[in-house]
Amino acid sequence: DAGVIQSPRHEVTEMGQEVTLRCKPISGHNSLFWYRQTMMRGLELLIYFNNNVPIDDSGMPEDRFSAKMPNASFSTLKIQPSEPRDSAVYFCASSFGDRGSYNEQFFGPGTRLTVL
Amino acid sequence: KQEVTQIPAALSVPEGENLVLNCSFTDSAIYNLQWFRQDPGKGLTSLLLIQSSQREQTSGRLNASLDKSSGRSTLYIAASQPGDSATYLCAVHSGSARQLTFGSGTQLTVLP
Repeated sequence: DAGVIQSPRHEVTEMGQEVTLRCKPISGHNSLFWYRQTMMRGLELLIYFNNNVPIDDSGMPEDRFSAKMPNASFSTLKIQPSEPRDSAVYFCASSFGDRGSYNEQFFGPGTRLTVL
Repeated sequence: KQEVTQIPAALSVPEGENLVLNCSFTDSAIYNLQWFRQDPGKGLTSLLLIQSSQREQTSGRLNASLDKSSGRSTLYIAASQPGDSATYLCAVHSGSARQLTFGSGTQLTVLP
């Protein structure tokens, strides 16, 4: 199994530009999570999908952030417009289980985003 | 709101030593606790998942214990090796949000 796949691995962009991060979960997993990691705040959950449906997006910082999961094998996290304070490492994780489960999560390698 | 604390923030030990990493959480109503390893510039690797009904889990040289009532978990690493050098994170599943709440991690350095 290839594990959780994220692209790009690194992204450098200028303030105001649109950024799209991509994630392919482990095949067969039906829960997908987007996290953000910064030195100041550590790892924080942004949004959680179960069976392609957003369940909890209370961690999304503001309207500039949006996430979609059009099918079971693909998700995107979009920032528009991007700001320097969005600079962080963004992780995608997946697990298997129904909406009420708390199963082991497997993380991708992350996307390091730098907004100049 | 669940809060997770890891002490110490950094630890340096000579190769071969046994060591313990600590994790504490404020809300004992957890479903499970997961220990991760993070290498510099890399993602998180799941090491152990311990359910709230379990007292401990073992994988190779790693042993994780859980005392839910006191809000504590420990990760024991036996016979440490330089390859064990990494940041170790604990995270708890709790609440209705189905999210993992992470500690800030312990940065471990094993000296050859």
